[in-house]
Amino acid sequence: DAGVIQSPRHEVTEMGQEVTLRCKPISGHNSLFWYRQTMMRGLELLIYFNNNVPIDDSGMPEDRFSAKMPNASFSTLKIQPSEPRDSAVYFCASSLIRTSGNTIYFGEGSWLTVV
Amino acid sequence: QKEVEQNSGPLSVPEGAIASLNCTYSDRGSQSFFWYRQYSGKSPELIMFIYSNGDKEDGRFTAQLNKASQYVSLLIRDSQPSDSATYLCAGNNAGNMLTFGGGTRLMVKP
Repeated sequence: DAGVIQSPRHEVTEMGQEVTLRCKPISGHNSLFWYRQTMMRGLELLIYFNNNVPIDDSGMPEDRFSAKMPNASFSTLKIQPSEPRDSAVYFCASSLIRTSGNTIYFGEGSWLTVV
Repeated sequence: QKEVEQNSGPLSVPEGAIASLNCTYSDRGSQSFFWYRQYSGKSPELIMFIYSNGDKEDGRFTAQLNKASQYVSLLIRDSQPSDSATYLCAGNNAGNMLTFGGGTRLMVKP
């Protein structure tokens, strides 16, 4: 089975530009998560979707960040306008929520550098 | 205070020794706990999860959970240099979201 697929793997962009990160979750999974990882703050949950509906977006740092999940097989995380402090690895993860042990599986990450 | 706390390390152990990684959590509503391993430049990968008090063994790995003390640990027996990585502890909350600790960097020296 294919795992979580993210694109682009690496992106370097200039401050002020729009950045769009894409994610295809594992087929059959009903939950999708966007995480951001930096050395200083570790792995932070940005937003969580269940059955394509945003459940918790309290981790989204600012209005410059937005996420959508138009269907069960695709999600985007957009940053507009981007800033140097947004430089991080952005992980998408998916899960099949059950009553216990809801293991989440990570994609390989999108490495974003904003200069 | 973070909901899931880990010592950042590095924890250094000699090859063949037992590595003990610890994690505490503050949310008593957390029911399941997960250990992920993350190699430098890679994504986290699941090692094992535990949701019952006591020990759970899988090969060289043993996860331990003590809900009364809000403590989770991971033991790695016969540590190998290839085990050198950052180990992330995570607990779920009432909303079924995982909250991760900051990770402990493990170094296994040949």
